[in-house]
Amino acid sequence: ELKVEQNPLFLSMQEGKNYTIYCNYSTTSDRLYWYRQDPGKSLESLFVLLSNGAVKQEGRLMASLDTKARLSTLHITAAVHDLSATYFCAGAGGTSYGKLTFGQGTILTVHP
Amino acid sequence: DGGITQSPKYLFRKEGQNVTLSCEQNLNHDAMYWYRQDPGQGLRLIYYSQIVNDFQKGDIAEGYSVSREKKESFPLTVTSAQKNPTAFYLCASSIDSSTADTQYFGPGTRLTVL
Repeated sequence: ELKVEQNPLFLSMQEGKNYTIYCNYSTTSDRLYWYRQDPGKSLESLFVLLSNGAVKQEGRLMASLDTKARLSTLHITAAVHDLSATYFCAGAGGTSYGKLTFGQGTILTVHP
Repeated sequence: DGGITQSPKYLFRKEGQNVTLSCEQNLNHDAMYWYRQDPGQGLRLIYYSQIVNDFQKGDIAEGYSVSREKKESFPLTVTSAQKNPTAFYLCASSIDSSTADTQYFGPGTRLTVL
């Protein structure tokens, strides 16, 4: 059974600083997804990582996948207040591609 | 506009009642999913459907039921057997469940038991 763990669970950052959110998973996961959720809202897809060494970037966010280490990272560069949200990673694998297993989420707060 | 709609946005249920949450998509997606989110936690899969007239239990199916009579619709019934139904319910869809396509989420229904 796939288990997904994120750390840290809470992250308070100053504007302009860099930081990384880590997502570890327990068994083989063919794909790794990152989502963003604003308070009281639904989930917005950020990245889909499909293979070992995959790196994707959008604005101040960059996600990577290391399938050998069973680790994905979400790197935040020069944080701004608008990035404040909860970030989830989710893994999927085996034959049930549609069954996503989510991490607990990382609550990110960016302050001046 | 293509997307996923859920209704109602807020729902209040009395003890012993069954309630049905609506999920409709016009993305022509084959696969649809229901998740439950509790405060401060990630999402947990309740049921999913890969094709019309077929669905499978997820990790926490007890106390819930679904149907998939039409491609665009995947309603979720929260029965009185669900002991703690207060939560945020999210419906999602994807092109199908055998590809790596991301899942797209609806706006959610917040269910509260009175």
